[in-house]
Amino acid sequence: GAGVSQTPSNKVTEKGKYVELRCDPISGHTALYWYRQSLGQGPEFLIYFQGTGAADDSGLPNDRFFAVRPEGSVSTLKIQRTERGDSAVYLCASSLYGTSSGANVLTFGAGSRLTVL
Amino acid sequence: GDSVTQMEGPVTLSEEAFLTINCTYTATGYPSLFWYVQYPGEGLQLLLKATKADDKGSNKGFEATYRKETTSFHLEKGSVQVSDSAVYFCALTTGTASKLTFGTGTRLQVTL
Repeated sequence: GAGVSQTPSNKVTEKGKYVELRCDPISGHTALYWYRQSLGQGPEFLIYFQGTGAADDSGLPNDRFFAVRPEGSVSTLKIQRTERGDSAVYLCASSLYGTSSGANVLTFGAGSRLTVL
Repeated sequence: GDSVTQMEGPVTLSEEAFLTINCTYTATGYPSLFWYVQYPGEGLQLLLKATKADDKGSNKGFEATYRKETTSFHLEKGSVQVSDSAVYFCALTTGTASKLTFGTGTRLQVTL
């Protein structure tokens, strides 16, 4: 597609429930990233995919968080047993390549706002 | 670890005023530096970048120079417009790492 698409744009759930957030990256982009942005803060890295594999998942806060990218395109971020502290905007980004820092420009989606009551 | 420190906002300016948003960084390697902008209701957009010391990134009248000696990447614009009102994020990435480390963001509000 023309840009990075994220669904849903807003999700309200109750504490303890399971949530899935979807990201559809730019067509042809091999690298995909998930970030979390809490209110008044900058985005924090969660996980990075190169193709189908998670190349770096060091930002996932705990084992309630999991992400997949089974066919190397669309990715799903899964959160189990949600807690109020999980409330944030979850951002997805993609890039043509996943390496070589300076040349690797990320394009972000508009985000999925998660509210856990 | 890597970190980015930005001046706190909000920054409120009148249209046509000069803008500076300070950004300093700490990095273990040789970082590439970025400014991203988030307009109300929109996703993060890359504003400009610099990949090595003394490089100047520029876009839409905004400029930032990569200063290795002061570990800084301050954002400047000579004459701001109301349409520049947004949140600005300084960010870096190092070596072969692909993840960005962001500052906390600085909200800019420009009034007529």
